Amino acid sequence: DSGVTQTPKHLITATGQRVTLRCSPRSGDLSVYWYQQSLDQGLQFLIQYYNGEERAKGNILERFSAQQFPDLHSELNLSSLELGDSALYFCASSVDWVTSTDTQYFGPGTRLTVL
Amino acid sequence: LAKTTQPISMDSYEGQEVNITCSHNNIATNDYITWYQQFPSQGPRFIIQGYKTKVTNEVASLFIPADRKSSTLSLPRVSLSDTAVYYCLVGPGSYNTDKLIFGTGTRLQVFP
Repeated sequence: DSGVTQTPKHLITATGQRVTLRCSPRSGDLSVYWYQQSLDQGLQFLIQYYNGEERAKGNILERFSAQQFPDLHSELNLSSLELGDSALYFCASSVDWVTSTDTQYFGPGTRLTVL
Repeated sequence: LAKTTQPISMDSYEGQEVNITCSHNNIATNDYITWYQQFPSQGPRFIIQGYKTKVTNEVASLFIPADRKSSTLSLPRVSLSDTAVYYCLVGPGSYNTDKLIFGTGTRLQVFP
């Protein structure tokens, strides 16, 4: 158990819909990262927040957005869903965002299926 | 930009030692090398991290030559449960989003 929690574990929805994925970081971690992993693909970095502020953006679509709240939990919002958005979405957390020895701790993921 | 290159896949048998090499020719002075392990449908898990020479923990060893342009993850006496994808990451000395590029990793298959 990494200490990072993600809800829900599974999500099935239809094209055009909007969903929200939630992540709670490890206690004491200030950075939260979101990744997308499609079937048999590598991890694609989406976005990172540090202490409530956006710090880095990866290949995140305009239909996707995220935020980190004062209690440090984070939400990833996916809208106008398409079939190709079906994937595993991982959240990770770390203590800092630039410390050389910083490592990420990953949650169990949310499996999104768009029908 | 500290891009990494790893073999796409490797096969081994139980009880053998497995060495996975990662190339990172543009590694920066302040960059560390970190390896993660991912099982199917699970989030990656930290295995080991190092800066130079050799690092060993209860799971693996990490060998880094003096020029630091490559690193080798060594898994001693693998078992079936070591079948997973292994990712090499370099960073974040000069912070940029390249430290967050996991790529496709190396898919290790261990046979009985």
